[in-house]
Amino acid sequence: QKEVEQNSGPLSVPEGAIASLNCTYSDRGSQSFWYRQYSGKSPELIMSIYSNGDKEDGRFTAQLNKASQYVSLLIRDSQPSDSATYLCAVKEGGYQKVTFGTGTKLQVIP
Amino acid sequence: EAQVTQNPRYLITVTGKKLTVTCSQNMNHEYMSWYRQDPGLGLRQIYYSMNVEVTDKGDVPEGYKVSRKEKRNFPLILESPSPNQTSLYFCASSLGQGYNEQFFGPGTRLTVL
Repeated sequence: QKEVEQNSGPLSVPEGAIASLNCTYSDRGSQSFWYRQYSGKSPELIMSIYSNGDKEDGRFTAQLNKASQYVSLLIRDSQPSDSATYLCAVKEGGYQKVTFGTGTKLQVIP
Repeated sequence: EAQVTQNPRYLITVTGKKLTVTCSQNMNHEYMSWYRQDPGLGLRQIYYSMNVEVTDKGDVPEGYKVSRKEKRNFPLILESPSPNQTSLYFCASSLGQGYNEQFFGPGTRLTVL
């Protein structure tokens, strides 16, 4: 069974800094996803990344290394509104199951 | 508005009383899934469906049933709920066909006494 590991945090960063979130997984993953979940709310997709390398979208950059089974999310110019739990998810090629990590809680300090 | 809806949003019930949580999406998505979220355990997949009449078990299917008779609906059935099924439940859908970005419903908070 695939395992997706994340540091539970909390990760505290000052406003304006770069927040770095990491995720490792135990089996071959074909697609990786980052979701943000505010307390009491449902997860919302931030980014998906399917290929090795970097993918940028605004203040967010995802990095995927399939050989190392590692995916990360960088948040530049962190804002207090970024304070949330960030969930990493991985889908293994050829299968339809998506496995989620337990999430990293991010706190951006004003 | 493109969305995934769930009903009810909150439910308190007693052990053994059958219940159904409905899920509906208006995006013509092929893939639908149910998750439960518990503190410290994260999101765990209960069942998923790749299309009408095609369902499969996730990681924690015991005590749950699903059906997919229509593309837009994917109800979760608890035939005989027990207290260990007290949890926050999310329905999600995605386009499928290689596009697996999931859109989540608002969640259903279930308490089984």
